[in-house]
Amino acid sequence: DQQVKQNSPSLSVQEGRISILNCDYTNSMFDYFLWYKKYPAEGPTFLISISSIKDKNEDGRFTVFLNKSAKHLSLHIVPSQPGDSAVYFCAATVRGSEKLVFGKGTKLTVNP
Amino acid sequence: NAGVMQNPRHLVRRRGQEARLRCSPMKGHSHVYWYRQLPEEGLKFMVYLQKENIIDESGMPKERFSAEFPKEGPSILRIQQVVRGDSAAYFCASSDNRNTEAFFGQGTRLTVV
Repeated sequence: DQQVKQNSPSLSVQEGRISILNCDYTNSMFDYFLWYKKYPAEGPTFLISISSIKDKNEDGRFTVFLNKSAKHLSLHIVPSQPGDSAVYFCAATVRGSEKLVFGKGTKLTVNP
Repeated sequence: NAGVMQNPRHLVRRRGQEARLRCSPMKGHSHVYWYRQLPEEGLKFMVYLQKENIIDESGMPKERFSAEFPKEGPSILRIQQVVRGDSAAYFCASSDNRNTEAFFGQGTRLTVV
């Protein structure tokens, strides 16, 4: 039972354009959401997070949007850079439970 | 300020052998988490430990797998009598308390032949 779904295994965008990565979840108890970036042969690196009391959080080129009614969140990267090419994982948790539930990831390729 | 250190980076074991994976958390971190990533899958939670205590092992297989985080030394994930299906990347993460983001290590890639 996949509680966190990233339906696009891959995404390719042109340098300078916007990258939009999507994530859906099924468990309405989740109240904290995170995005991690992962390069090959490395561990995931925390990117940005959002609490369920917010609908948007911005950090530089990265913005995460949360639509609780649709149980959907998205990560926007603008402008995209070749160094952003990596696998992006969406994760969700219930605060206090300590368990992160990850999606399967979306491989982003930013072409120069 | 070293990050989360995992060793070995790569581990090859024959079926039936034991695998020991080590994780040294970031300095000052007393919370350790283990995750497993099977090929083409996301990371799956296995166990959460604080010093000398297992807090949540709900993601750990009931047999052959164990974890510890002693007062001194690294956290150890131990897999006894490994089988081919145990081949995966095992990631450790640490945090300084329950409500802060966890930092991940580079992972140990276990291959069972």
